[in-house]
Amino acid sequence: GAGVSQSPSNKVTEKGKDVELRCDPISGHTALYWYRQSLGQGLEFLIYFQGNSAPDKSGLPSDRFSAERTGGSVSTLTIQRTQQEDSAVYLCASSLTSGVQETQYFGPGTRLLVL
Amino acid sequence: SQQGEEDPQALSIQEGENATMNCSYKTSINNLQWYRQNSGRGLVHLILIRSNEREKHSGRLRVTLDTSKKSSSLLITASRAADTASYFCATDAWAAGNKLTFGGGTRVLVKP
Repeated sequence: GAGVSQSPSNKVTEKGKDVELRCDPISGHTALYWYRQSLGQGLEFLIYFQGNSAPDKSGLPSDRFSAERTGGSVSTLTIQRTQQEDSAVYLCASSLTSGVQETQYFGPGTRLLVL
Repeated sequence: SQQGEEDPQALSIQEGENATMNCSYKTSINNLQWYRQNSGRGLVHLILIRSNEREKHSGRLRVTLDTSKKSSSLLITASRAADTASYFCATDAWAAGNKLTFGGGTRVLVKP
């Protein structure tokens, strides 16, 4: 079946502009995660949604970052007033539930470049 | 800060050789997982080992876990050019909820 999809694949923006990144999780997956990966680095957790529970926002680096998940499915990560240090690959993952042994399935990522 | 630290950062081997990479972590964990990433894109889950397990196999992959040393190793046997990728360990722990904490990764190059 279809995997996790993300759009756009690449985004180039100017410093100070807002950007929206989209994630479509695997159908039926109740948990959705956003990560950020800077060049040559590991993944940094940003935010996590589980069903209708309040999201875990503990990884968001600043109040310029926000995310929402509508209808328990599609999620949008918004970065306001982008800065050059926001340049990274933003990865979305989903899992069937939020159990600690659940495998997370990753999308291909959105490569963001802030000029 | 990252929970996992991986060693080596980069590894270059000939096709057919074995590749071994290590992951160390700092706090008690529930599970440790290994992921592969091609070309800086999406990650593919390889294997999960629980904290009460010591060794696990999947095809050409062998993972060990030593909770007393807070370390894990991933062995790829009889490597192929297609194994060229970055490999990341990721841990989950009660203290961190259901979030995975990733290491910095090992870049593996398998030369034909």
